[in-house]
Amino acid sequence: QAGLTQPPSVSKGLRQTATLTCTGNSNNVGNQGAAWLQQHQGHPPKLLSYRNNNRPSGISERFSASRSGNTASLTITGLQPEDEADYYCSSWDSSLSAVVFGGGTKLTVL
Amino acid sequence: EVQLVESGGGLVQPGGSLRLSCVASGFTFSDHYMDWVRQAPGKGLEWVGRSRNKAKSYTTEYAASVKGRFTISRDDSKNSLYLQMSSLKIEDTAVYYCARLEDNSGQWDLQHWGQGTLVTVSS
Repeated sequence: QAGLTQPPSVSKGLRQTATLTCTGNSNNVGNQGAAWLQQHQGHPPKLLSYRNNNRPSGISERFSASRSGNTASLTITGLQPEDEADYYCSSWDSSLSAVVFGGGTKLTVL
Repeated sequence: EVQLVESGGGLVQPGGSLRLSCVASGFTFSDHYMDWVRQAPGKGLEWVGRSRNKAKSYTTEYAASVKGRFTISRDDSKNSLYLQMSSLKIEDTAVYYCARLEDNSGQWDLQHWGQGTLVTVSS
């Protein structure tokens, strides 16, 4: 089952800005958008952004999502130690009638 | 507060069967789509399947990797979601999460997650 493409790792310094990317195609990200989830080791994922780029209640404004064509992005400003985690994008693939995930990006805050 | 509690995981031999349960509380269960998502040890997230809500006649969808082997069902009277797994393979070893989806402007996204239950397929 085809998935979305994310870089395996990103490293940024404390208080810097990180931008994570997620590339799909017109059957998923391009027409369905991408949601973003954060997962700390040993914990379940947490939704950071809906596919329409809105944030769920309680999610910091430091997390913002956007999309251009078939590529979605998650920008995290003012990086904090607690932002170090795995980040996954997900979308609905209309041709597969299935949820597709990216392989995840491990964010390291230096 | 939305709570999802999975149970039923454990050790099973290849070719065996197992039934996972997810008990939900804190919301009107019948209103929501519910998914199963799994995560193999040290790996990323993999979608398993979906049970749509009462309004969508409880229709289901499955990942190609489990279609024909896994069955999702639900009992709204018990606020419970189930995953019946059969013909289990070693590669089905994973933490299985139950997740509640949220309808955001007509799109359903995975918002609430349980803590997961570990399924180990091994001889």
